[in-house]
Amino acid sequence: DTAVSQTPKYLVTQMGNDKSIKCEQNLGHDTMYWYKQDSKKFLKIMFSYNNKELIINETVPNRFSPKSPDKAHLNLHINSLELGDSAVYFCASSRAVDEQFFGPGTRLTVL
Amino acid sequence: SQQGEEDPQALSIQEGENATMNCSYKTSINNLQWYRQNSGRGLVHLILIRSNEREKHSGRLRVTLDTSKKSSSLLITASRAADTASYFCATDEEGAQKLVFGQGTRLTINP
Repeated sequence: DTAVSQTPKYLVTQMGNDKSIKCEQNLGHDTMYWYKQDSKKFLKIMFSYNNKELIINETVPNRFSPKSPDKAHLNLHINSLELGDSAVYFCASSRAVDEQFFGPGTRLTVL
Repeated sequence: SQQGEEDPQALSIQEGENATMNCSYKTSINNLQWYRQNSGRGLVHLILIRSNEREKHSGRLRVTLDTSKKSSSLLITASRAADTASYFCATDEEGAQKLVFGQGTRLTINP
């Protein structure tokens, strides 16, 4: 059984479009995260949610809007996509700031 | 802000040799974690060492933590081709409620 799943795995889109990435975890964790990994493999946290409440917003442009409908889901909506948004986006979950379980990633390419 | 600095950035060794990767950080931490990322995949948690621990073992992995020097090392003994991956340290900074990742060490094990 997949612990943390993300869809889609690949996303290719034009500049200016709006897209969403979905994440689900079946581990019963309270905390979920979104990370961005750039082309140099640098992994940076974007958001974290605890029990559906936003805990961390790391100075991410407001074109990025996370939504947590329940504890097991954290989706990421991106408006007006820009070239610089091209990256791999990872969802993760954890019980506390402890071992984190990562999804397989969504490779976003903005043309 | 980037907390962990990893050294070396890339390491290539022969199968059977030991691999050592180092991580330095800047602030007080609750714990330090090591993750592995295979190409095109999500990160996988390897080991967590708390700030009051100095050494921890898990199978062929040995992690040390020196809080006075703000550094950690990951030793992989008797390396195998399957150990080829990128390895990241991540620090749980006191009061931050998040992990901050280093830029990673790309390890290649040559058969």
